[in-house]
Amino acid sequence: DTGVSQDPRHKITKRGQNVTFRCDPISEHNRLYWYRQTLGQGPEFLTYFQNEAQLEKSRLLSDRFSAERPKGSFSTLEIQRTEQGDSAMYLCASSRDRGGRAFFGQGTRLTVV
Amino acid sequence: RKEVEQDPGPFNVPEGATVAFNCTYSNSASQSFFWYRQDCRKEPKLLMSVYSSGNEDGRFTAQLNRASQYISLLIRDSKLSDSATYLCVVIFTGNQFYFGTGTSLTVIP
Repeated sequence: DTGVSQDPRHKITKRGQNVTFRCDPISEHNRLYWYRQTLGQGPEFLTYFQNEAQLEKSRLLSDRFSAERPKGSFSTLEIQRTEQGDSAMYLCASSRDRGGRAFFGQGTRLTVV
Repeated sequence: RKEVEQDPGPFNVPEGATVAFNCTYSNSASQSFFWYRQDCRKEPKLLMSVYSSGNEDGRFTAQLNRASQYISLLIRDSKLSDSATYLCVVIFTGNQFYFGTGTSLTVIP
């Protein structure tokens, strides 16, 4: 499978715990995006990488959120001290060209209890 | 005002009907436009890009009106399998994909 893959698919965690998600983009894509989606809403932009450089961060990305893409390939999104409001689907996408089509992974569904 | 706005619906149409969705965007410097389809609890999947000249893919036609800042999606001869949420996506400048909230379509037998 050469699409975008995310791991894990589901995560249930207790409030206050830290969680980390992984995204493996399509191999020739140098652009990688993280989005968050809650029920009934469209995906909301969190952050964007071009190769290993994090070029944009949303105001939604509080200090508890951090993302990395150390070698310009896979990326991780960490949420520290999770809160119930963090419960959402976290989507990763990649694209090859600026302004080009983005392809999404299946997402990681986070539930904070 | 949101960057991208869509009528959330729901649109309930009989099989075989023609249905159209519109989406408006706020930034006149917008560069790229797409329609994505999202099934329940699944990831968004690219349906089609939207070009200034308009484009068609089978039963689907997308159009862009830069003067009025909206894009549209027309689905002809609706199938049951077309039932999904349709997301309008706009890239302004830079790299962010801005999504609308989606329009829900249910095609009824």
